[in-house]
Amino acid sequence: AQKVTQAQTEISVVEKEDVTLDCVYETRDTTYYLFWYKQPPSGELVFLIRRNSFDEQNEISGRYSWNFQKSTSSFNFTITASQVVDSAVYFCALSEAQSGGFKTIFGAGTRLFVKA
Amino acid sequence: EAGVTQFPSHSVIEKGQTVTLRCDPISGHDNLYWYRRVMGKEIKFLLHFVKESKQDESGMPNNRFLAERTGGTYSTLKVQPAELEDSGVYFCASSQARLTAYEQYFGPGTRLTVT
Repeated sequence: AQKVTQAQTEISVVEKEDVTLDCVYETRDTTYYLFWYKQPPSGELVFLIRRNSFDEQNEISGRYSWNFQKSTSSFNFTITASQVVDSAVYFCALSEAQSGGFKTIFGAGTRLFVKA
Repeated sequence: EAGVTQFPSHSVIEKGQTVTLRCDPISGHDNLYWYRRVMGKEIKFLLHFVKESKQDESGMPNNRFLAERTGGTYSTLKVQPAELEDSGVYFCASSQARLTAYEQYFGPGTRLTVT
């Protein structure tokens, strides 16, 4: 069965520190998509990144970077030089091609506090 | 381009009452989804519409929940009668046709509080 585990419930860092949010997933499908979403205090879900299972290249976007490793079924997210505005709940998610990519499975989320 | 909108943003009702949540997807998006996050847990899939048809409603918790999508445009999610455990944030999302169906755009959510 498909599952997404975010073992870190809450993380607290001081501004300018680097922080890594862990995500481990389970799927029997060979074709799937992985996502990260940010939920700021305002409540909406903000799409950050999508990765398909055939693309293991790591990606960097500004202060954000993602490390996808199929061998360990992990899709970790690192924020470099964190800022107070990064404080939010971050969700890792999985969508399987078998389901048509329609049913997205979310992890429980990691709440990140960045203190000034 | 307007994003996914949801109404109301927050609803407080008493146990036993009825509440209807509305979602307006991005114009032209055939796929519409409902998810909810209960008590700080993970966000869970409820159901998926393709145009006006229910494609997958495997996540609907019970028959107190009724979702409709009239004319394949906006969708409503009715909870009747509401129970305490229905409290949570209800998200709506939409996506285009099949090839990019996995790229779902989420609305701001409706926070439902049942007292």
